[in-house]
Amino acid sequence: QQQVKQSPQSLIVQKGGISIINCAYENTAFDYFPWYQQFPGKGPALLIAIRPDVSEKKEGRFTISFNKSAKQFSLHIMDSQPGDSATYFCAASSPSGTYKYIFGTGTRLKVLA
Amino acid sequence: GAVVSQHPSWVICKSGTSVKIECRSLDFQATTMFWYRQFPKQSLMLMATSNEGSKATYEQGVEKDKFLINHASLTLSTLTVTSAHPEDSSFYICSARDRRLSGTDTQYFGPGTRLTVL
Repeated sequence: QQQVKQSPQSLIVQKGGISIINCAYENTAFDYFPWYQQFPGKGPALLIAIRPDVSEKKEGRFTISFNKSAKQFSLHIMDSQPGDSATYFCAASSPSGTYKYIFGTGTRLKVLA
Repeated sequence: GAVVSQHPSWVICKSGTSVKIECRSLDFQATTMFWYRQFPKQSLMLMATSNEGSKATYEQGVEKDKFLINHASLTLSTLTVTSAHPEDSSFYICSARDRRLSGTDTQYFGPGTRLTVL
């Protein structure tokens, strides 16, 4: 119930294409869903986040789509660039009030020039 | 804003020695800080939650006596790996919640510390 399942494990996209990464959760009490981008040897950086009362949120080229009934959310990267090549993690905030994150397993994105 | 630093960025030590890693929130006060461990090509594993002025809460399976956490102020938390062994070699990352943003779940991450135990 505490797991967040992320897919695909790896993704190769052509420059200018759309990258789509999916996550699914079980615990309906999760109420905050961030996406982080991590480059090798660096800490994760917050990209965008959403709460369940919103079905979509867009910030620049990054969009989160949220399907509460399906317990799924996804990250769309529009006009993907080689500089977007990194590992992306979804997460869900634990509902216990401790603000702990449950992380997905990560997706390694490679954008070909 | 919301910058978190870690020091050192990398450390090499001999087996049996102790290593201290610092995590600082540079431009905000952190009510809560978190310590994670990450193995190559794997996800982040939460080790413990650190609250200023109180004892850290460790995740199941994490040895409290081996990974000592101190949250001395609202801007500083330290992780000490005691009697380090090669299996403790990993990438350690801290994160912090901004005290001003009551109720927010956003964590800001530090750049990580690469620990290698010989």
